[in-house]
Amino acid sequence: AAGVIQSPRHLIKEKRETATLKCYPIPRHDTVYWYQQGPGQDPQFLISFYEKMQSDKGSIPDRFSAQQFSDYHSELNMSSLELGDSALYFCASSLGRVGRNYGYTFGSGTRLTVV
Amino acid sequence: AQKVTQAQTEISVVEKEDVTLDCVYETRDTTYYLFWYKQPPSGELVFLIRRNSFDEQNEISGRYSWNFQKSTSSFNFTITASQVVDSAVYFCALLLTGGGNKLTFGTGTQLKVEL
Repeated sequence: AAGVIQSPRHLIKEKRETATLKCYPIPRHDTVYWYQQGPGQDPQFLISFYEKMQSDKGSIPDRFSAQQFSDYHSELNMSSLELGDSALYFCASSLGRVGRNYGYTFGSGTRLTVV
Repeated sequence: AQKVTQAQTEISVVEKEDVTLDCVYETRDTTYYLFWYKQPPSGELVFLIRRNSFDEQNEISGRYSWNFQKSTSSFNFTITASQVVDSAVYFCALLLTGGGNKLTFGTGTQLKVEL
């Protein structure tokens, strides 16, 4: 079965550079979520989109922005990167409300290293 | 506000031992979902189970079993006859349907299974 696809898997950037992470949800899933997991930490919710509109926002820095496109894929744009942005970034997708969909499927993550 | 507590930071067992990972959650909502995820050293988040707040029936899947008790706000996870491949970080997570469908994770339990 098709899963959530994230690209790239690994990314190395220098401080103050910009990074773009991409997420392709499971086909027919209309909701995308982004999470950030720092070293030794639990995943923290950043932002989510439902039907291409932002539906919820967590502790996402102002330097970050995201959007969901007409084909439902999503991109997380991160500017003025800082060392503290080094983390594993996960995308998840679901079909509408979780109650109507089994599971809450995560992609394999993008490991961002800022040097 | 919601909260998930996994008091066990790290557990070490010898292969074939049974092990129980504890999860205690806090919420005032009556409708919610509880999840368990496995995160092996490779980093991906592997979905294990979802349980809704109205279904207190315990579940068994192979060597895995889950004990959901609303009276104590706990959703514990037991691995029977542990194997080295079970070594991973295990996260318990809470989802409130009225909270934008974002997951709140516990801090995780590192399970080490040794020969």
